[in-house]
Amino acid sequence: EVQLLESGGGLVQPGGSLRLSCAASGFTFNSYAMSWVRQAPGKGLEWVSSVSGSGDRTYYADSVKGRFTISRDNSKKTLYLQMTSLRADDTAVYYCAKVTGLDWYGNYYFDYWGQGTLVTVSS
Amino acid sequence: QSALTQPASVSGSPGQSITISCTGTSSDVGSYNLVSWYQRHPGKAPKLMIYDVSKRPSGVSNRFSGSKSGNRASLTISGLQAEDEADYFCCSYAGSTTFVVFGGGTKLTVL
Repeated sequence: EVQLLESGGGLVQPGGSLRLSCAASGFTFNSYAMSWVRQAPGKGLEWVSSVSGSGDRTYYADSVKGRFTISRDNSKKTLYLQMTSLRADDTAVYYCAKVTGLDWYGNYYFDYWGQGTLVTVSS
Repeated sequence: QSALTQPASVSGSPGQSITISCTGTSSDVGSYNLVSWYQRHPGKAPKLMIYDVSKRPSGVSNRFSGSKSGNRASLTISGLQAEDEADYFCCSYAGSTTFVVFGGGTKLTVL
């Protein structure tokens, strides 16, 4: 059974940093790209970032480019999202999601998701 | 405001059929057959229900079907059941810069 468990969310001040983690199990982790998707309060889902199965290719939404860094440790079967220069509009539930192929490019579906971790940016 | 427009809510009685619309533009839904739909029950992880406009992943009931016409995609659920009550989100590929855009979500209530 595929399981994705996010952690690392919490309250952070504007301008601060936070690192999210996503522990994966139940599939061959390094054979699939992984993504982060978020949902701000009262809004729809928003794709944030993706990384290829090997970790050598990364993709970002314009809204987070230059501030967020996605990475993965295939030996630990864990996905990360390092978030810096956080703003109030980054407040959201952040979901970790498995992509249907080895690379994000050409595979734009999320076949498994975690339950999310809440990030609140506020002073 | 989300890139794709969905009705905030729809409702139906058990056994009936409902359709949820997802309206985009010629830059996303209208240009690519890469539309997907996700179901999310409260407090649960989202679940992929439809991909490539109308394909169902293994294990998804054939009561769920998808279609597309122009800039508008649709999810139809036939033979409504209580367990179908959930939020539904559409998603479309939108080119190699934006990649994907989502709808704002539709809350389905089974009366």
